[in-house]
Amino acid sequence: QSALTQPPSASGSPGQSVTISCTGTSSDVGGYNFVSWYQQHPGKAPKLIIYEVNKRPSGVPDRFSGSKSGNTASLTVSGLQAEDEADYYCSSYAGSNNLGVFGGGTKVTVL
Amino acid sequence: DVQLVESGGGLVKPGGSLRLSCAASGFSFNSVYSMHWVRQAPGKGLECVSSISSSSDSKYYADSVKGRFTISRDNAKNSMYLQMNSLRVEDTAMYYCARGWAATNPNFDYWGQGTLVSVSS
Repeated sequence: QSALTQPPSASGSPGQSVTISCTGTSSDVGGYNFVSWYQQHPGKAPKLIIYEVNKRPSGVPDRFSGSKSGNTASLTVSGLQAEDEADYYCSSYAGSNNLGVFGGGTKVTVL
Repeated sequence: DVQLVESGGGLVKPGGSLRLSCAASGFSFNSVYSMHWVRQAPGKGLECVSSISSSSDSKYYADSVKGRFTISRDNAKNSMYLQMNSLRVEDTAMYYCARGWAATNPNFDYWGQGTLVSVSS
């Protein structure tokens, strides 16, 4: 399975919004509503922030939201805060006989 | 609280072997949860390496490790393992243990802190 495509970087000022795209194919992102997003701070393990395209686990602020259109999923971080500066990874289900696939990651910088 | 603790990483020469362990606590390990190994090479992104269903009847491997790595779990010991043989330099990475809800769905709600595997001569 090929990795999903994410922009390498994104940035915004505190209080602004940033949106990260995650592009796959009809065999993964476009074929199923099983897209997840992870936040990873340096030296730390990833943390699940969105699952099943747009659902937030308990404890994740509603500033984080997810969506999908066709083969592209998106993560939007609204009201950017300093602590949102991190790497963000998308992942997708890719069929019952395949391991899931991750995107290459996007580094979000809060200016 | 759910906890996943990896161990077994270290420095090994190319062609060598290592066995990683993941000790789970704080949830019913032998119930519905699939378990997964995800790795991250230094400065790189995440890669699903292997996964195992709750009853061990389904196991999956990335093409890059197929035939060299073997995943297993012992529900009586609340533990999962990754036997890594014929290690290559490109297997160097932090290896994370993660909990999932299906063996092929990369929706991981809990992660361990990782164990570092370095393959070098």
